Amino acid sequence: EVQLVESGGGLVQPGGSLRLSCAASGFTFSTYNMNWVRQAPGKGLEWVSYISSSSSTIYYADSVKGRFTISRDNAKNSLYLQMNSLRAEDTAVYYCATFLYSSVLYGMDVWGQGTTVTVSS
Amino acid sequence: DVVMTQTPLSSPVTLGQPASISCRSSQSLVHSDGNTYLSWLQQRPGQPPRLLIYKISNRFSGVPDRFSGSGAGTDFTLKISRVEAEDVGVYYCMQATQFPQYTFGQGTKLEIK
Repeated sequence: EVQLVESGGGLVQPGGSLRLSCAASGFTFSTYNMNWVRQAPGKGLEWVSYISSSSSTIYYADSVKGRFTISRDNAKNSLYLQMNSLRAEDTAVYYCATFLYSSVLYGMDVWGQGTTVTVSS
Repeated sequence: DVVMTQTPLSSPVTLGQPASISCRSSQSLVHSDGNTYLSWLQQRPGQPPRLLIYKISNRFSGVPDRFSGSGAGTDFTLKISRVEAEDVGVYYCMQATQFPQYTFGQGTKLEIK
């Protein structure tokens, strides 16, 4: 069964750091491009970051550029998001998502259940 | 960035009746390759999003044929021919033409009257 399972969320103070993980199973993780997408409480979806299968291409939304770092370990079938200098507006459910049967121009077709990040003092 | 605007934001519908959601982009979504990369996603309560439609009108694998998409340029529509209870949730349009800067609409909440 294809599965993405996020972890690492929690409560952090403004200015703090957190590292999210996404464990992939049921497919050949090393051949698929990955994303992080977030959803603030009661709000819509916001794309956060993209990483290609080999990590050679990485993109960030302007809202997180310079603060967040996406990475992956294909040997461990894992995707990561290092979040630094966290702000209240980073509070959200963070999903990892991929294009398993679709393409980067169609949209993400496999999503994890999400992990919740709360930035508050 | 391309801004995606959906209407209505809430849509109460009677079971078995049709539903329609509109999405407008702040600029044309026609890609340099001639295609238009406008997708629709469904998010049921407590669930992650699910890809329904891509390239305006192509249903993704497993999506019932009561869902259809149409439109061109900057104006797009998602239609559900006969709403079923399992269709309750929030629907998002999403543009991928400006990849990697994906942007989503605000979401339209579909609920049963």
